[in-house]
Amino acid sequence: GESVGLHLPTLSVQEGDNSIINCAYSNSASDYFIWYKQESGKGPQFIIDIRSNMDKRQGQRVTVLLNKTVKHLSLQIAATQPGDSAVYFCAENLGLSGAGSYQLTFGKGTKLSVIP
Amino acid sequence: DSGVTQTPKHLITATGQRVTLRCSPRSGDLSVYWYQQSLDQGLQFLIQYYNGEERAKGNILERFSAQQFPDLHSELNLSSLELGDSALYFCASSVTGNTDTQYFGPGTRLTVL
Repeated sequence: GESVGLHLPTLSVQEGDNSIINCAYSNSASDYFIWYKQESGKGPQFIIDIRSNMDKRQGQRVTVLLNKTVKHLSLQIAATQPGDSAVYFCAENLGLSGAGSYQLTFGKGTKLSVIP
Repeated sequence: DSGVTQTPKHLITATGQRVTLRCSPRSGDLSVYWYQQSLDQGLQFLIQYYNGEERAKGNILERFSAQQFPDLHSELNLSSLELGDSALYFCASSVTGNTDTQYFGPGTRLTVL
């Protein structure tokens, strides 16, 4: 979608393959992380979340991995389908360690293109 | 469908004008957030309300203001509009306004000519 600037990282995968989208977050005190999917012309859609006391969480066809040591988050999509084509954002909730609110800070996003 | 509604879907106006964007949160959600999404800045947090009270401000300009009403719907007012205000404006809602999931509405596309 038209959500991020010109330097949006792009990942192209073959339909049926697994996709891995990576994200580096900024604040070591962040305690809640969310992955969103944004299709063109639509709002961000919740995919999966994880709290900082976990390092892995699985959903339907998706898995989120959290590595707090290197402040890295990844989203794995199994058996990628054409409908998975979208921009994917990771977001961290800075909690009270941030601006005194529970705002989300979003990464720049990765555009996933699925090749049929 | 996230359950968050926003109106209007599109808005075209001229520089110097004032507009109001409206958001209705999901049923049961007490907190509303506003975000701006532009091509060069990505998704930026503007302001948060919880149960009618302002909770936090982010990168919100002084020309912008918001409020949350007793029925929990929220309005974002943008005044003295400039070309650079053209963007997608999203509202999100969550139950507690703390570290819980924020669900986003479909957005309002604002074009300032």
